[in-house]
Amino acid sequence: KNQVEQSPQSLIILEGKNCTLQCNYTVSPFSNLRWYKQDTGRGPVSLTIMTFSENTKSNGRYTATLDADTKQSSLHITASQLSDSASYICVVSAVESNYQLIWGAGTKLIIKP
Amino acid sequence: GAGVSQSPSNKVTEKGKDVELRCDPISGHTALYWYRQRLGQGLEFLIYFQGNSAPDKSGLPSDRFSAERTGESVSTLTIQRTQQEDSAVYLCASSLITVYNEQFFGPGTRLTVL
Repeated sequence: KNQVEQSPQSLIILEGKNCTLQCNYTVSPFSNLRWYKQDTGRGPVSLTIMTFSENTKSNGRYTATLDADTKQSSLHITASQLSDSASYICVVSAVESNYQLIWGAGTKLIIKP
Repeated sequence: GAGVSQSPSNKVTEKGKDVELRCDPISGHTALYWYRQRLGQGLEFLIYFQGNSAPDKSGLPSDRFSAERTGESVSTLTIQRTQQEDSAVYLCASSLITVYNEQFFGPGTRLTVL
């Protein structure tokens, strides 16, 4: 069964600190993996998209890594800001169904001053 | 507007009533998606439109749910005889048809069924 699991479920860190969020997936055959940021009361916004051939991709202070062999991804946030408080969702698509994304439940990140 | 818009932003209704939720996608985006997000949970796929056709309706939870799209633009999600378990945020997204199909989301409609 195609699944995406994320950890931790929630995380609280102090402003300025770094953090890493984890994603494990069982989707096969794999097409691509995305990380989305969802602010409270808003729709998700794409941060990165990676195919199996890409190991890392950055978007400002966000860096995503992908290990297609172990089917793991991580999202690293550097020098966190209060505005980083949001849910971060890992999303995977399979080759045969590139429109139907398999969504993780997300990690709720809270940045405290 | 440049983004996906949805209306209403909030809808409170009584159990048993019908509701219509509207989505205006980004102009030129041929693909449109509806999702449901229950409180504290991940997104749940409902239906996918390519143009005005819906090749995948597999996520619609029951025959009380239906959706249509016209003019390769606006889409309406209709829920008949609403139940309390229908309470959720309903999100719409649109995309171009590319290898990535990057989806751009609207702000959602928060539906509360009393």
